[in-house]
Amino acid sequence: GAVVSQHPSRVICKSGTSVKIECRSLDFQATTMFWYRQFPKKSLMLMATSNEGSKATYEQGVEKDKFLINHASLTLSTLTVTSAHPEDSSFYICSAGESSGANVLTFGAGSRLTVL
Amino acid sequence: DAKTTQPPSMDCAEGRAANLPCNHSTISGNEYVYWYRQIHSQGPQYIIHGLKNNETNEMASLIITEDRKSSTLILPHATLRDTAVYYCIVRVGGATNKLIFGTGTLLAVQP
Repeated sequence: GAVVSQHPSRVICKSGTSVKIECRSLDFQATTMFWYRQFPKKSLMLMATSNEGSKATYEQGVEKDKFLINHASLTLSTLTVTSAHPEDSSFYICSAGESSGANVLTFGAGSRLTVL
Repeated sequence: DAKTTQPPSMDCAEGRAANLPCNHSTISGNEYVYWYRQIHSQGPQYIIHGLKNNETNEMASLIITEDRKSSTLILPHATLRDTAVYYCIVRVGGATNKLIFGTGTLLAVQP
């Protein structure tokens, strides 16, 4: 079945630094990937839709300059949290579906970011 | 915004069937009903989806009412490893359409 890989699974950084999280579709091509964040005991919140070869589409209230998304190829999207602050500490999860029309989106295992 | 309503929590005895309800009274004709689950600190796992017919796979069965305004996910023989938050989501199919999560149902399987 379709596999989505995220890296790193855990990252700790200092305030003010930037952190990059990768999302890869391992055995399929994905023109669209989705990024979510999740706070403890809360549901997943969609942050943005990542589009291969074009700009990402951000959900209302999500700062595009804070959360930079790049979808450089059909198998890779990256989320960069810029100038991270402790309130950016969260669980970040990506998902993707096969471009050829799959109805099912597969999720990565998630990346836990802790900003000190 | 999520367009489904689920009970916040349910209990089920190990080995018994778990029946998780979901209301989606405003579902559109081209929207599927999807079920995902999330075990603590992991990414969501796809379970099953359907449009209007009942569906069954190796994990679960999905029963959709004739008017499509509600559905039930059935785990036939729940195990402790089925303890998770279960999300019912309505969504237009296709790889480019987003999934919007509601609050889900926390299913606790008891020994």
